[in-house]
Amino acid sequence: DADVTQTPRNRITKTGKRIMLECSQTKGHDRMYWYRQDPGLGLRLIYYSFDVKDINKGEISDGYSVSRQAQAKFSLSLESAIPNQTALYFCATSDSLSGNYGYTFGSGTRLTVV
Amino acid sequence: GQSLEQPSEVTAVEGAIVQINCTYQTSGFYGLSWYQQHDGGAPTFLSYNALDGLEETGRFSSFLSRSDSYGYLLLQELQMKDSASYFCAVGGAGSYQLTFGKGTKLSVIP
Repeated sequence: DADVTQTPRNRITKTGKRIMLECSQTKGHDRMYWYRQDPGLGLRLIYYSFDVKDINKGEISDGYSVSRQAQAKFSLSLESAIPNQTALYFCATSDSLSGNYGYTFGSGTRLTVV
Repeated sequence: GQSLEQPSEVTAVEGAIVQINCTYQTSGFYGLSWYQQHDGGAPTFLSYNALDGLEETGRFSSFLSRSDSYGYLLLQELQMKDSASYFCAVGGAGSYQLTFGKGTKLSVIP
């Protein structure tokens, strides 16, 4: 099994629908992150969490929300999906030792909003 | 804020050496890291420089000059499987999230 698992791998949804992307990890890391990747724009941070009670906005949090259900689970929600949220979404984890560089990424969720 | 600049595309010949540069601007600095991403895949961590100088890991080396806000990734003995996108990333002061560059797409040709 993968260290960081994202579900679903692919999703097509309609404009206005609420959708949740899920991430779970078996690495025992306390820090979890959600990034969005668009062609030519690299990876941009949406939200991050350093423990269950800690949630922080990233560079592009508008239109998104998150929930840290447990140390191992961090979900990303789009409250009302819009087409420009079509992108590849990655969850990542790190620990306190490698928190500033050694991220482990999930395989990604490719989301299409039509 | 933080920003990073790296070339968008690089092409190199199999067996050759290629250098991917990265310049950064950041209000605080906790090191420069490099990630590799194959098409359709997840980014994977390659190397990290906290201090000035060269770090070597097999065919890959990474260099940092903090005074110049500059670093590079050096790939030697290029193989076709090295065709991928490479991202530099910096960690900022007091925070443990990474800001990534927009990536350099490396194409290795026979």
